Amino acid sequence: DAGVIQSPRHEVTEMGQEVTLRCKPISGHNSLFWYRQTMMRGLELLIYFNNNVPIDDSGMPEDRFSAKMPNASFSTLKIQPSEPRDSAVYFCASSSMGVGYTFGSGTRLTVV
Amino acid sequence: SQQGEEDPQALSIQEGENATMNCSYKTSINNLQWYRQNSGRGLVHLILIRSNEREKHSGRLRVTLDTSKKSSSLLITASRAADTASYFCATDSRRALTFGSGTRLQVQP
Repeated sequence: DAGVIQSPRHEVTEMGQEVTLRCKPISGHNSLFWYRQTMMRGLELLIYFNNNVPIDDSGMPEDRFSAKMPNASFSTLKIQPSEPRDSAVYFCASSSMGVGYTFGSGTRLTVV
Repeated sequence: SQQGEEDPQALSIQEGENATMNCSYKTSINNLQWYRQNSGRGLVHLILIRSNEREKHSGRLRVTLDTSKKSSSLLITASRAADTASYFCATDSRRALTFGSGTRLQVQP
């Protein structure tokens, strides 16, 4: 198994632009999570899905952030419009029955 | 807000020594997990201990859990330079995992 696959690995964009982060979870895993990691705030849960359905999006910072999971093998996290304070490493993780998450390598986002 | 808080924030030891990291949390849990993160990489699951367990071993790792004190410890025995990484505890209550702030471990060769 190739693990959780995230793309792109690095993204540099200008303030105001739309950013789309992508994630392919491990086949057979029924839960998918988006986390954000910064030095100041550590790892923060943004949103998670069970069986493709969003369960808890209370961690999404504001309406500029949206996430979708159209099928069991793909999820996106979109930021529109992006701001410099969105700069962080965004991780996608998946799990089966909520035990032992498998993380992707992350997308390092820089908004200038 | 973060559920778990690790202690110490940073730890530097010599190869061959043991490393102990502690984690405290606030609410009741179903299980507690430990993860490792190498610089620039994603987190890797190390070990899970359930709320009704007190100790668990996996290779050179030993995890303890004291639910009365809401605390856990991770012991790495006979450390190696390759153990250099950040270590996070994570608690599973009813939402998804909530991660602590992590302990940065440096193992000097």
